[in-house]
Amino acid sequence: DVKVTQSSRYLVKRTGEKVFLECVQDMDHENMFWYRQDPGLGLRLIYFSYDVKMKEKGDIPEGYSVSREKKERFSLILESASTNQTSMYLCASSLQLAPYEQYFGPGTRLTVT
Amino acid sequence: AQKITQTQPGMFVQEKEAVTLDCTYDTSDQSYGLFWYKQPSSGEMIFLIYQGSYDEQNATEGRYSLNFQKARKSANLVISASQLGDSAMYFCAMREGAGNQFYFGTGTSLTVIP
Repeated sequence: DVKVTQSSRYLVKRTGEKVFLECVQDMDHENMFWYRQDPGLGLRLIYFSYDVKMKEKGDIPEGYSVSREKKERFSLILESASTNQTSMYLCASSLQLAPYEQYFGPGTRLTVT
Repeated sequence: AQKITQTQPGMFVQEKEAVTLDCTYDTSDQSYGLFWYKQPSSGEMIFLIYQGSYDEQNATEGRYSLNFQKARKSANLVISASQLGDSAMYFCAMREGAGNQFYFGTGTSLTVIP
């Protein structure tokens, strides 16, 4: 079974703090993704990576950066957290083979106060 | 324009009945994939079913089937014999061409009534 793990289920941070969200997958997947999920908006892609050290912006990259130094690990960084970044963050991974289905981690519910 | 549209924010179904969750999509690509995911209250997204644009048969996985109508650009999820454990959010998603990006709908909250 594919296993995608995220470092925290719940996180509370203060405005202006630097926040790291970690994601690890154990199935040697090439692709990894970070989404945020907000009620009524579905899932929106922040960044994705198709190889080590490679990244591409998704639909809402502003205020976020990512790092992928190892194939199994993909980190999302909030350089200076703001209250509008309070959300559920979901990490996913997939192979670069059809049908490309994505496997998700349990999510991190981040609250910025 | 929205790539994926789910027009039913919430649905109710009686236990053991069938239910259809609607999904329409928008793409000009000939090659694409359509996916359905389930998200229980625990938060984890669970992959349910996949339909490729060139697949002639509707996809089925156990109690899940995908009613694929290409000309209408719809990919509705049918759940047969609903169970209480089916209560969850359901998301439709699309991948275009050989791209890596998925586009998700806003989801439908399904509640199964005993």
